[in-house]
Order: sequence, then structure tokens, then C-alpha cells
Amino acid sequence: GENVEQHPSTLSVQEGDSAVIKCTYSDSASNYFPWYKQELGKGPQLIIDIRSNVGEKKDQRIAVTLNKTAKHFSLHITETQPEDSAVYFCAAISLGGYQKVTFGIGTKLQVIP
Amino acid sequence: DGGITQSPKYLFRKEGQNVTLSCEQNLNHDAMYWYRQDPGQGLRLIYYSQIVNDFQKGDIAEGYSVSREKKESFPLTVTSAQKNPTAFYLCASSIGGSRGETQYFGPGTRLLVL
Repeated sequence: GENVEQHPSTLSVQEGDSAVIKCTYSDSASNYFPWYKQELGKGPQLIIDIRSNVGEKKDQRIAVTLNKTAKHFSLHITETQPEDSAVYFCAAISLGGYQKVTFGIGTKLQVIP
Repeated sequence: DGGITQSPKYLFRKEGQNVTLSCEQNLNHDAMYWYRQDPGQGLRLIYYSQIVNDFQKGDIAEGYSVSREKKESFPLTVTSAQKNPTAFYLCASSIGGSRGETQYFGPGTRLLVL
């Protein structure tokens, strides 16, 4: 089955700096990669996603890159703000039939004012 | 206001007791899911349902049961057979089928054992 590794598990950055979270996956059939942000005591919220036919996607201060050959994808947050502090999860999904979703273990991001 | 609702926000279980967690969605999604979240372990799939009146076991189904009698509702029962039920439980839904991708999550229910 699919295995998703996420690192780092914790990340502290100064406000205004960039943050990068990386994930690797094992199943070459995975073709959809969402990223979720989870604030304390709340459910995960989708923040950005990318499909296997695209190498990069941006949405304001957030971007995701995908390297299918190396089977890894990354979340980039620029100009970090204190409200970016949360746990971020990556996931890999194989579409077609039942969509098996495999989540990474999560990265706790702390943005220091 | 569309979305997924879970209730209650906090739930306390006594030993030997069954408890039921509610999950309702008004997104007209076919597929619904239950996850368990423990510190440092990410999200683990308990049960999923691709369509009404059908559901399948996930990776950690032992000690849990579900029903899917209505498209909008997917309640999860934590039975007395689940020996370590303390966790944060998340319900999610998606459009479903091969065309469905993004899962949308509810706010979660925290279950504590008395």
C-alpha cells in the first residue's frame, strides 16, 4: 500500500520568513496530493492541492510543487504570519474506484512574532 | 450554509458503555469517512461509505460500528470492545466515486473515558 512520509515533524520560523514542508510517497499510482491545515481543536481544512499532471501550483502566499519522478511534493509558505501557526498534513490519493487516502504524520508549524 | 457538522464537541464514555458520534453533511456528497486522530499518529481510517446503505472497514475498524441509512448522515458508534477510545474523531465527506477527490472535514469530536 501507499506510504507517505512527512518532515519535519516540527518547524519554527520567524514571522516573515518562509516555511517548507516536504512529503514523499511510495505508490506511483497516486495522482492527487492535497494539503490540509489543522488548527488546535478543529478539523483539517484544505488549503491547496495539486494533481500529477502539474508541477507547481500557487495561491497567494502558498505554493505546492510536485516531482513525480522522485515521488515527492512540498508545501511552501512565504511571508509567514502568526496565524499560519498550525499543524499541516500532506496526503496522497490514488483516483479511480475507491479513493484510498494516505496522510502524512503532520508538521507542527510555529511562526514566532 | 453548507458543510459538515459533528456532535457533540466533547463526549465522555464510561467503561462498558457504547457511545455514538454524529456526523451530518449537506454537501450532497456520496462518500463519507470516519478517522481517528491520536497525537503523533496522523489520521487513521476507521470506516468509509461510498454510497447509502453501503460501508466498508478501514484500517482500524475493530471496536467501532457505523450505519449509512441516509445520504446526509454517517453515525459512528464506539463500542465497549474498543479498549482505548480516547482520541479526536473526525468525519469527512467527498463527492465520491472516481471523480471525487477532496475530502472535507468536520470540526471533530473529542472522546474521553471516565
